[in-house]
Amino acid sequence: DTGVSQDPRHKITKRGQNVTFRCDPISEHNRLYWYRQTLGQGPEFLTYFQNEAQLEKSRLLSDRFSAERPKGSFSTLEIQRTEQGDSAMYLCASSPTSGSYNEQFFGPGTRLTVL
Amino acid sequence: QKEVEQNSGPLSVPEGAIASLNCTYSDRGSQSFFWYRQYSGKSPELIMFIYSNGDKEDGRFTAQLNKASQYVSLLIRDSQPSDSATYLCAVIDSSYKLIFGSGTRLLVRP
Repeated sequence: DTGVSQDPRHKITKRGQNVTFRCDPISEHNRLYWYRQTLGQGPEFLTYFQNEAQLEKSRLLSDRFSAERPKGSFSTLEIQRTEQGDSAMYLCASSPTSGSYNEQFFGPGTRLTVL
Repeated sequence: QKEVEQNSGPLSVPEGAIASLNCTYSDRGSQSFFWYRQYSGKSPELIMFIYSNGDKEDGRFTAQLNKASQYVSLLIRDSQPSDSATYLCAVIDSSYKLIFGSGTRLLVRP
């Protein structure tokens, strides 16, 4: 049983560069979520997909952020023109839609450092 | 603004003791509640969820929910040094996203 996977695990970039992260959810899970976590805080919701449809985006998700989930499988999160304030752990989670209370299982995260 | 509040700690307990972690939430409509454990530098790991008033036990862990008072707690019996971590409380909102507290750091002293 494979869990949620994320790639890369660490990313160091210079301010102004674009970065893209990938998330592969648990195979039978229809819902996929992106969260962001900074030191000393709990994860904050960014966006969520049910299958390929992006159903909600947080106001934290500025125009520089875009997420996709083509074909309802893996998802990508792109940040354009990165800023130092984007430095954080980016977490992906997935959950089933049927027979559950929406338990969300997290991947290992991608730690982004913007220099 | 929906909020989840936790004491940041650290909560320090001796090995073998019961650790009690508490969480309050503001949205009376919240239905499902989750406890995650997070080791330093790692991602959150689901420990338990609860949706009915009362207690739910799983091994050394017991989650307690009181919807009238809007609080959720997690008890860890026979605490071990390996339980030292940050414990995150979260509630599901109506659009299925998790609203997290900032976490309580637990230290179990050998």
